[in-house]
Amino acid sequence: KQEVTQIPAALSVPEGENLVLNCSFTDSAIYNLQWFRQDPGKGLTSLLLIQSSQREQTSGRLNASLDKSSGRSTLYIAASQPGDSATYLCAVKSSGGGADGLTFGKGTHLIIQP
Amino acid sequence: NAGVMQNPRHLVRRRGQEARLRCSPMKGHSHVYWYRQLPEEGLKFMVYLQKENIIDESGMPKERFSAEFPKEGPSILRIQQVVRGDSAAYFCASSPPRPIGAKNIQYFGAGTRLSVL
Repeated sequence: KQEVTQIPAALSVPEGENLVLNCSFTDSAIYNLQWFRQDPGKGLTSLLLIQSSQREQTSGRLNASLDKSSGRSTLYIAASQPGDSATYLCAVKSSGGGADGLTFGKGTHLIIQP
Repeated sequence: NAGVMQNPRHLVRRRGQEARLRCSPMKGHSHVYWYRQLPEEGLKFMVYLQKENIIDESGMPKERFSAEFPKEGPSILRIQQVVRGDSAAYFCASSPPRPIGAKNIQYFGAGTRLSVL
């Protein structure tokens, strides 16, 4: 059974700092890995999707890496801004048998202090 | 092109009532997924449907919960005889037909927040 863990559960940093969010998964047989952003009371916004054959994806100030063999992904946020404050979710799509849905971590609650 | 639409956004029910949650997928999407997010928990997969077919319901509770995606109209997640433990945010996601499209990206709606009194 796939399990996804995100560390840290919460993070508070001053504006302008670079930061790294961590995600680990127990079963390396994945189809892809996706990072989402969730704002309070809102839905999920997809930030980056990395296919299993890829090592990283970049979008603006965001960079996500994937090491499938070790079951890890990181989300790097450069030059953080108060508007980046949100909960960041990591989710994997398993390629083996089992559920067709995504398996999510519990998220990292990020606060960027102005 | 509107995104995934869920309604209502907020739903209040008393114990024992029925809750019906609706999800209209993005235009051209024929795959729908339902997830539940309990307080302080991550999203948990419930069910995956295509038009008129349930493909995977491995995450659905065995009793009181059902889902459908008819040929016409939105997907419906139905919870009968709700209990306080059903209070959660329910999210719907849709994706285009495979293998073409956006490589299995699931697009999420804003969710329905169910409160059971």
